[in-house]
Amino acid sequence: KNEVEQSPQNLTAQEGEFITINCSYSVGISALHWLQQHPGGGIVSLFMLSSGKKKHGRLIATINIQEKHSSLHITASHPRDSAVYICAGLFIFGNEKLTFGTGTRLTIIP
Amino acid sequence: DTAVSQTPKYLVTQMGNDKSIKCEQNLGHDTMYWYKQDSKKFLKIMFSYNNKELIINETVPNRFSPKSPDKAHLNLHINSLELGDSAVYFCASSQENLGQRNTEAFFGQGTRLTVV
Repeated sequence: KNEVEQSPQNLTAQEGEFITINCSYSVGISALHWLQQHPGGGIVSLFMLSSGKKKHGRLIATINIQEKHSSLHITASHPRDSAVYICAGLFIFGNEKLTFGTGTRLTIIP
Repeated sequence: DTAVSQTPKYLVTQMGNDKSIKCEQNLGHDTMYWYKQDSKKFLKIMFSYNNKELIINETVPNRFSPKSPDKAHLNLHINSLELGDSAVYFCASSQENLGQRNTEAFFGQGTRLTVV
């Protein structure tokens, strides 16, 4: 069964802290997406990974294919980073459908 | 310019009504999707179209009918609305099917449907 699990479900941190959000998936994937859902509800695609590491500004995403695990890191966190972060796996035997995790609600306190 | 735009942003309607949500993308993408986000914020795919052809049709009631007049538009029509249809519906698009490597999905801002 294709499953995606995220941890933690909720995360509160002080401004400036280094943030890590984890994502594990059940079987092989061809790609993993990290999405950000703003408090207003809109969804933005942050990264699409199939191997290694990607960086965009203060955001870093890594994936370890052998361990079936991906992490999203935020350096020097800021209150505007407060959002729900969702990982989604594109499973090799999933008929090209994204399977979404339940999301991590991040709150950065000034 | 908004890449993927949905209208309306909010929709409140009574049970039994028929309503449509429109989606348009100006990215020149070949594939469009409809996702439903439930009250627990869980996202699930409903439909996927590639060049106006239906690719994915999840277990969705027949009351939901997607229509793609051209590859830039994928509208969602819902008949005989029920209370359980209340959710946020997201449209998305990608250059190719998401099964292709290095293909990202771009999402609309969502339509919050409330059935009363």
